[in-house]
Amino acid sequence: QVQLVQSGAEVKKPGASVKVSCKASGYTFTSYYMHWVRQAPGQGLEWMGIINPSGGSTSYAQKFQGRVTMTRDTSTSTVYMELSSLRSEDTAVYYCARDGVLVGASTDYDAFDIWGQGTMVTVSS
Amino acid sequence: SSELTQDPAVSVALGQTVRITCQGDSLRSYYASWYQQKPGQAPVLVIYGKNNRPSGIPDRFSGSSSGNTASLTITGAQAEDEADYYCNSRDSSGNPLFGGGTKLTVL
Repeated sequence: QVQLVQSGAEVKKPGASVKVSCKASGYTFTSYYMHWVRQAPGQGLEWMGIINPSGGSTSYAQKFQGRVTMTRDTSTSTVYMELSSLRSEDTAVYYCARDGVLVGASTDYDAFDIWGQGTMVTVSS
Repeated sequence: SSELTQDPAVSVALGQTVRITCQGDSLRSYYASWYQQKPGQAPVLVIYGKNNRPSGIPDRFSGSSSGNTASLTITGAQAEDEADYYCNSRDSSGNPLFGGGTKLTVL
């Protein structure tokens, strides 16, 4: 079945970096964009950025520009999200989410149809 | 930048119909999608595009839009529909944007 499996919980100190992985299975990895979305405790969803697994191109939310890097490994169907210069406000659950629209297609809506289980990242001294 | 505004909380009696709304300028140009999130779980897509339901989503869920307002309607709410609901559209740069979420209580 189609699924995204993320890496386990992380505890980091302020100023450190964290790298979260998201392994896709059950579909053609390079055919669908992948997004990263985070959710702080008790808060709503926040979009961080998108990666094209086919060519590796990325686009990041302005808020995270300069601190976030998204990469992919097509040999293992895995995408990665690295966030640097961590601060306490980065404490959140980080999700990868597949875009249900095929790479190259253009739509007037989003459809995050498959989500990973989430990775809790705690930033604490 | 844009915003998507949702009521923080809505309640509905078991078996009745409830409408959850999402307001924002971007909704004049883009359709909203809707996600259901239960405590401790990842969000689940329930409506996308004009009014499309992914496989496995009950037909009591439907979507509509008018002007700058998108709506998610649950016709005959069930106990298992109690959850947080998030709308999603685009910001002024064309990037994905989420509303603040609505907590639905089924009485």
